[in-house]
Amino acid sequence: GAVVSQHPSWVICKSGTSVKIECRSLDFQATTMFWYRQFPKQSLMLMATSNEGSKATYEQGVEKDKFLINHASLTLSTLTVTSAHPEDSSFYICSARVTGTGNSPLHFGNGTRLTVT
Amino acid sequence: QQQVKQSPQSLIVQKGGISIINCAYENTAFDYFPWYQQFPGKGPALLIAIRPDVSEKKEGRFTISFNKSAKQFSLHIMDSQPGDSATYFCAASKGSGYSTLTFGKGTMLLVSP
Repeated sequence: GAVVSQHPSWVICKSGTSVKIECRSLDFQATTMFWYRQFPKQSLMLMATSNEGSKATYEQGVEKDKFLINHASLTLSTLTVTSAHPEDSSFYICSARVTGTGNSPLHFGNGTRLTVT
Repeated sequence: QQQVKQSPQSLIVQKGGISIINCAYENTAFDYFPWYQQFPGKGPALLIAIRPDVSEKKEGRFTISFNKSAKQFSLHIMDSQPGDSATYFCAASKGSGYSTLTFGKGTMLLVSP
């Protein structure tokens, strides 16, 4: 149980375009989902916390107008990278925790490799 | 300020040997310490986790040792296998509910055949 699915697994886009990444909790409901970014051979850096039905909470230094997050249902959160630039190329990973289970394990998706040319 | 410091950055162990990865934290409010395993191109997968009320937790070949007074915890992989070759991240979080994880920088483990 507790599977988090991310789509697409990889995407290549041209500079200036926008890319949407989906994160779904397949067999559980997640009021809160987390979006991370990981550069090669580096750790995961939290970008934002996505809350169902309300605005996302962004970490310091993360541009909310560039990384648009929508959490429209208890099983889906989306991250849109707007006006992408080569420096946005990275591995984006979402995670979720089963709603109402307190400090239960965080389940991660398999990530999305974004390459901006 | 790095709240969770992980070492070593990389580690090579012979098959059958013991792999040891260490982490130290600064925030005494942390009360949940998981370890994640990540293979290339995949998201992290929870391996094992511990809370401060115990000093050791074992699951199969994986053991977490926890030293609350020293604010340190470590992952031991017994009888290491080539399939264990991956990047390992320690992490910590505080409070309950939807608290976020703070990750260490990761350790690339290579188990040689």
